[in-house]
Amino acid sequence: EDQVTQSPEALRLQEGESSSLNCSYTVSGLRGLFWYRQDPGKGPEFLFTLYSAGEEKEKERLKATLTKKESFLHITAPKPEDSATYLCAVSGGGSNYKLTFGKGTLLTVNP
Amino acid sequence: NAGVTQTPKFQVLKTGQSMTLQCAQDMNHEYMSWYRQDPGMGLRLIHYSVGAGITDQGEVPNGYNVSRSTTEDFPLRLLSAAPSQTSVYFCASSYSAQETQYFGPGTRLLVL
Repeated sequence: EDQVTQSPEALRLQEGESSSLNCSYTVSGLRGLFWYRQDPGKGPEFLFTLYSAGEEKEKERLKATLTKKESFLHITAPKPEDSATYLCAVSGGGSNYKLTFGKGTLLTVNP
Repeated sequence: NAGVTQTPKFQVLKTGQSMTLQCAQDMNHEYMSWYRQDPGMGLRLIHYSVGAGITDQGEVPNGYNVSRSTTEDFPLRLLSAAPSQTSVYFCASSYSAQETQYFGPGTRLLVL
């Protein structure tokens, strides 16, 4: 069974203080690893898809990386508007029709 | 494109009542799915569909029915609501199960 563990559960940063969120996964044949951002009261918003170890993707202050066991979401010089819950999910070869989600990391960026 | 739309945004039901949560997408996606999100539990798959006329159960299907008569629509039916079904429900769609899923804004359901 696919498993996704995100850490930390919550992270509080000062504006400009860079950090990383972790997503550890166990999956039979990774087909894709997905990062989403979720604001309170809204649906998850797609950020990145990573397909193979060594792959990296960037968008503004965010950079996602992937190894065979985990993914990191690096946040460089965050701003208060980056405050949200960040969700990680995997799609595995043993569960072709299902995404397995982690419980998320609640990021708060203080001005 | 409107993307994925869901109605209603919020609903209150009494135990035993039935209702249908609507989901529609205008991206010509074959794959559609329903999730529920509960505090501390993450998103859990209820039902999914890989195309019109084809549906299957996810992780937590009990108490819910689905059908897919068109590519665009994927309604979720609660047959006899229970307090345990109080949750936020999200619909999502993608070109295929392995590709990026795009989520709707959610329906908040309270069952008394």
